[in-house]
Amino acid sequence: DIQVTQSPFTLSASVGDRVTITCRASQNINNWLAWYQQKPGKAPKLLIYKASSLQSGVPSRFSGSGSGTEFTLTISSLQPDDLATYYCQQYNSYSFYSFGQGTKLEIK
Amino acid sequence: QLQLRESGPGLVKPSETLSLTCTVSGDSLSRGAYYWGWIRQPPGKGLEWIGNIYNSRNTYYNPSLKSRVTISVDTSQNQFSLNLRSVTAADTAVYYCARGEGDFDSWGQGTLVTVSS
Repeated sequence: DIQVTQSPFTLSASVGDRVTITCRASQNINNWLAWYQQKPGKAPKLLIYKASSLQSGVPSRFSGSGSGTEFTLTISSLQPDDLATYYCQQYNSYSFYSFGQGTKLEIK
Repeated sequence: QLQLRESGPGLVKPSETLSLTCTVSGDSLSRGAYYWGWIRQPPGKGLEWIGNIYNSRNTYYNPSLKSRVTISVDTSQNQFSLNLRSVTAADTAVYYCARGEGDFDSWGQGTLVTVSS
């Protein structure tokens, strides 16, 4: 089964900073990777699908890149509303999905 | 507008079966266009994929839960359901239902299920 590993576990940054979160897959998943934002007490929200496609309605400061085994989520200019935990998810095979451990983003 | 809503008991006794239903509005399960899934999140922890159902009959489960899980669809009610057998305290979590094509683009608000005697 394919596992995905996120880093860092926690991240503290200031408003306006460029922020990057990394997700590594245990084997090649092509571009079958999604990123989610989860705010406290809420369901996850899809930000990016197929590694780099921006979900409708998501601000353009969010972007995704990568393919194969290494992927990144970038927030180009951090906003106070971006306080959340971020998860990656691989879906290379319809028979098994897996999520990363999550990255908690804190605003300095 | 698509909406998903989970429902079911908030408290289940150890060794019993956890049963949840997801009611879908704004899309038809019989259309067979999407995967419909269950994901859970233990308190303070990360997300765990439980399984999906596709085209009302094709099911896919997390190997770690496969022996205890059944996902089914009732197209007449536009609902899909989760049954998790022989639960323990480790199954205490917020359970989400969701729609997707690999990624999950729509989620229910989640329901907390506590396993305790």
